[in-house]
Amino acid sequence: QVQLQESGPGLVKPSQTLSLTCSVSGGSMSSDSYYWNWIRQRPGKGLEWIGYIHHSGITYYNPSLKSRVNISVDTSKNQFSLKLRSVTAADTAVYYCARESGPTVSSRSFDYWGQGILVTVSS
Amino acid sequence: QSVLTQAPSASGTPGQTVTISCSGSSSNIGSNTANWYQQLPGTAPKLLIYSHNQRPSGVPDRFSGSKSGTSASLAISGLQSEDEADYYCAAWDDSLNGHWVFGGGTKLTVL
Repeated sequence: QVQLQESGPGLVKPSQTLSLTCSVSGGSMSSDSYYWNWIRQRPGKGLEWIGYIHHSGITYYNPSLKSRVNISVDTSKNQFSLKLRSVTAADTAVYYCARESGPTVSSRSFDYWGQGILVTVSS
Repeated sequence: QSVLTQAPSASGTPGQTVTISCSGSSSNIGSNTANWYQQLPGTAPKLLIYSHNQRPSGVPDRFSGSKSGTSASLAISGLQSEDEADYYCAAWDDSLNGHWVFGGGTKLTVL
């Protein structure tokens, strides 16, 4: 059974960089079929996709966050990471990592999720 | 403002059938499959329906999905108290080089 677990600081100061890591267990990240995503949920709000990375290094980012986001992968550790620069209070959210899978780009879904980690941006 | 449009709330009594709709456009639901996620209070979202109408292993057949044009729907039959949750639709959007979009979520209350 695949499991994902987010880790990182729960408090980040405004203008600094938010850094989170997702550890994947129960399966390899190196399959071509999987894409590794970050999704966030602001308090009391809906879900917002941040971006994904493939083990090959291919990345896609939410156009609204693209200028501040970087997602990287370390397949040797079965981990992938999120960096979000120049954070403000509006970046306070629960951050989820999730696996995306499916036969074609038009028919994929997020089939496994981490439990989420609350990150608060405050001085 | 979410790219996919959902009603913010829905309700039903035990045993009823409730339908939740998700309205999109030609660049998302119109050309790619819609997925549905259930988020119970205080927990991470869980995949409920993928590729418009497929259920992952373990999801009861009370949950069903459909698509018509640029809209998708989730139907829950034989409503149970444990179905009280937030439900989100999602689809890949081909615009702006491609990105995932979500609906704003529908909070389902079982009366």
